[in-house]
This record gives sequence, C-alpha cells and structure tokens, in this order.
Amino acid sequence: AQKVTQAQTEISVVEKEDVTLDCVYETRDTTYYLFWYKQPPSGELVFLIRRNSFDEQNEISGRYSWNFQKSTSSFNFTITASQVVDSAVYFCALSATGNQFYFGTGTSLTVIP
Amino acid sequence: DTGVSQDPRHKITKRGQNVTFRCDPISEHNRLYWYRQTLGQGPEFLTYFQNEAQLEKSRLLSDRFSAERPKGSFSTLEIQRTEQGDSAMYLCASSSTLHRDRYTGELFFGEGSRLTVL
Repeated sequence: AQKVTQAQTEISVVEKEDVTLDCVYETRDTTYYLFWYKQPPSGELVFLIRRNSFDEQNEISGRYSWNFQKSTSSFNFTITASQVVDSAVYFCALSATGNQFYFGTGTSLTVIP
Repeated sequence: DTGVSQDPRHKITKRGQNVTFRCDPISEHNRLYWYRQTLGQGPEFLTYFQNEAQLEKSRLLSDRFSAERPKGSFSTLEIQRTEQGDSAMYLCASSSTLHRDRYTGELFFGEGSRLTVL
C-alpha cells in the first residue's frame, strides 16, 4: 500500500522567512518516485520536482530545496526567503509504478507581507 | 503550447441527473488521468488511459462513473444519477511516456471541473 502523510495542515510565515514543508511516505516497493506539486489559488496543480528512490541526493533550485531521506521515509521541501507568491497549497505525492499517483492531504502555506 | 483543458469549469446539477465532463490533454501526451479532489484533501486517483485503453480504475469509481477516451485524444467522464457525495473538483491530467529517456513522471493538470450536486 502507498501512503503519503503531510502532517502540517496550515503554515503561516512572514515574508523572507524560511519554511519547511514535511512529507512522510509509506511504500513496500523498492523503486518509487516522489513528487511535489504546488496548487495556487487559481487551482491548477503545478509540478515542482521528482525524485527517484535510488537517488538520495538533495536538490536545490533557486529558493527551493528538497531533502530526501530514505531512512526516515521523508521528502521535505524548504522554501528559503519566502515570498507572497509562494502562498499556495503544496502536495507531496508518491508513485511506485508511474501509473497511480498517491497524494498527501496538502499543506496550505500563507506568506504574510 | 496548449495545456490541458477541461470543460465545463463549473457544473451545478440536481441529485439524480447525469453529468459529463470533457478533458483535452496536451496533444502529444499518450497518458490521461482523472482525479477527484474534495475540499481540504489531495487529489484521489480515479482512472487512467494509455492511448485509448483504460488501464486502471480505482475502487472509488463506482458503477455510476464511466470514462472513455475513444480515439486516444480527448476523454469524457460521465457520472450517472449524481449524488451529493459526488460534489468535488474533477481533475484531468496528462503525461507522456513516449520518450523514456526524457520521462520525468510529471503530470500536467487542467484547471478542473467543479461539480456541485444539490
């Protein structure tokens, strides 16, 4: 069974603060993919990143960084120097087959100017 | 580059009526997915197509739901005898597995079709 848990329902930060969104996953598969998607108020989910289970190297893209740790089954997402435009709901997702994607319940991030 | 488009964007219907949603994926994408999202929840998988073949269906997809992708291009999702519990955002997404060396697993989502059943 595949499961994704995002324990943080809502987070508010003041602009320019750093914020980390947590994601914990469960799977029995040895090969799987993890994703982060952003859902702004307009509603359309936007892909941010994919990681393979065999690649634990952390990744940085501008103000975004991702920390993948298989030992704790976590794939956390950090936004550095947050901006108002970062306000959105962020979803972590898991796929073992590339067919079905399992999404967490999302974390709603509000960046206060 | 045209993204995934869904129609209608909003649908209000009375309990017991049938509704149909249409999804036009990105043209070169061979895979098409339907998801359902309720307030405060993440998207839940309903079904997916590879070309015109429906390869997987979730147990969430009751007999009242049917999806088609007749020519491997656009898809329709029909809900018969709607119930209030069907009220949700129905999301369509597409992806391409045609070039494995460039496959990212990225799903391209449409803006969704919001269904309200009164």
